[in-house]
Amino acid sequence: EAQVTQNPRYLITVTGKKLTVTCSQNMNHEYMSWYRQDPGLGLRQIYYSMNVEVTDKGDVPEGYKVSRKEKRNFPLILESPSPNQTSLYFCASSPTTSGVYKNIQYFGAGTRLSVL
Amino acid sequence: AQTVTQSQPEMSVQEAETVTLSCTYDTSENNYYLFWYKQPPSRQMILVIRQEAYKQQNATENRFSVNFQKAAKSFSLKISDSQLGDTAMYFCALNAGNNRKLIWGLGTSLGVNP
Repeated sequence: EAQVTQNPRYLITVTGKKLTVTCSQNMNHEYMSWYRQDPGLGLRQIYYSMNVEVTDKGDVPEGYKVSRKEKRNFPLILESPSPNQTSLYFCASSPTTSGVYKNIQYFGAGTRLSVL
Repeated sequence: AQTVTQSQPEMSVQEAETVTLSCTYDTSENNYYLFWYKQPPSRQMILVIRQEAYKQQNATENRFSVNFQKAAKSFSLKISDSQLGDTAMYFCALNAGNNRKLIWGLGTSLGVNP
């Protein structure tokens, strides 16, 4: 089954304890992205990657890191989480080559993070 | 700057009836895509329908259709024969430019009443 898989789905942590949210897609998509969703602010892009070893900042990159060493994986790293990073996080992927599915972003199930 | 505006925070509809959700957007790009995504209580983000700006024909997917008015920068979603499972938050999103970032509206919460 074609899908984007995020883990964990729920995470409660404390300020300053490094954590990683994993994202993996099995559709051979070139493009991957991370968003956070907050009430009243909607979804905002954190980081994105156009392909392996190519990453760039989105609108709210502060406090986050990413890497894209393999095409299928795009982990989100919080080196020192703070309470303002409490949010619902989504990973998405999209094909960039031509075709009927071009530009459609497929989302993982989301990770709800609470930083105490 | 690119923006997406959904002016209806909440809407409700009776089961089997038709409802239209509004969305307006702004972009200076000539080539762009518009989407409607559905987010049910499970929080999963599910694609409902996509419209390519260069296509004049309105997109349809079963009970879902759009009214794409390019000059007015309007992109409304019509849900026909509403079902209880359509209860969800609906987001309008714009994809324009090279980085493929989705610009999102704040959503419309739709409740379908039995």
